[in-house]
Amino acid sequence: AQKITQTQPGMFVQEKEAVTLDCTYDTSDPSYGLFWYKQPSSGEMIFLIYQGSYDQQNATEGRYSLNFQKARKSANLVISASQLGDSAMYFCAMREDSGGSNYKLTFGKGTLLTVNP
Amino acid sequence: KAGVTQTPRYLIKTRGQQVTLSCSPISGHRSVSWYQQTPGQGLQFLFEYFSETQRNKGNFPGRFSGRQFSNSRSEMNVSTLELGDSALYLCASSLANYDSTDTQYFGPGTRLTVL
Repeated sequence: AQKITQTQPGMFVQEKEAVTLDCTYDTSDPSYGLFWYKQPSSGEMIFLIYQGSYDQQNATEGRYSLNFQKARKSANLVISASQLGDSAMYFCAMREDSGGSNYKLTFGKGTLLTVNP
Repeated sequence: KAGVTQTPRYLIKTRGQQVTLSCSPISGHRSVSWYQQTPGQGLQFLFEYFSETQRNKGNFPGRFSGRQFSNSRSEMNVSTLELGDSALYLCASSLANYDSTDTQYFGPGTRLTVL
């Protein structure tokens, strides 16, 4: 079973509008971290935002926020006021903190976001 | 502070050859991880090094190996290259300070093409 599922292969959004990118995860580990990365066409993975499994509040970083619903095992990324430079591939990733694998990230397949002017 | 650097950025090899990729982590970061990214398989974890020791290994054949030096710089080696090894190889570094928020920061990647 996939540990990270991103059901939207592609998304389109108008400039200045908000967009939500979906991510669901599967783990039995009580302690884990969820990450979102942005990958422009240049290839570099850019860290956007982190949410820990024990965090009570949703994470926010500037225009990025993470809608964390633990019971549903979802960690959706919300980008507010989209900009043309937001056009990129977005990956959701999980780090499970037990069992000695706490430096391994498991990634979803990604969502290609296109921001239209 | 300089980010993660990877060299070379692009590489073309032929089947059967071997290749070595290099990664310099962010200053002060002690953990280095390697990932392979292909269109078919997506991003897959290769291995992670800390204090010159491999702590975690992904599900890759023994042709893929790596090492870490005392200054935390890391190299990965792929021997007897196959066409399927063509990929973007990404290196990531983290503080490894056992803080739950510890984040991996990625380099620009090395794009390997095997002909």
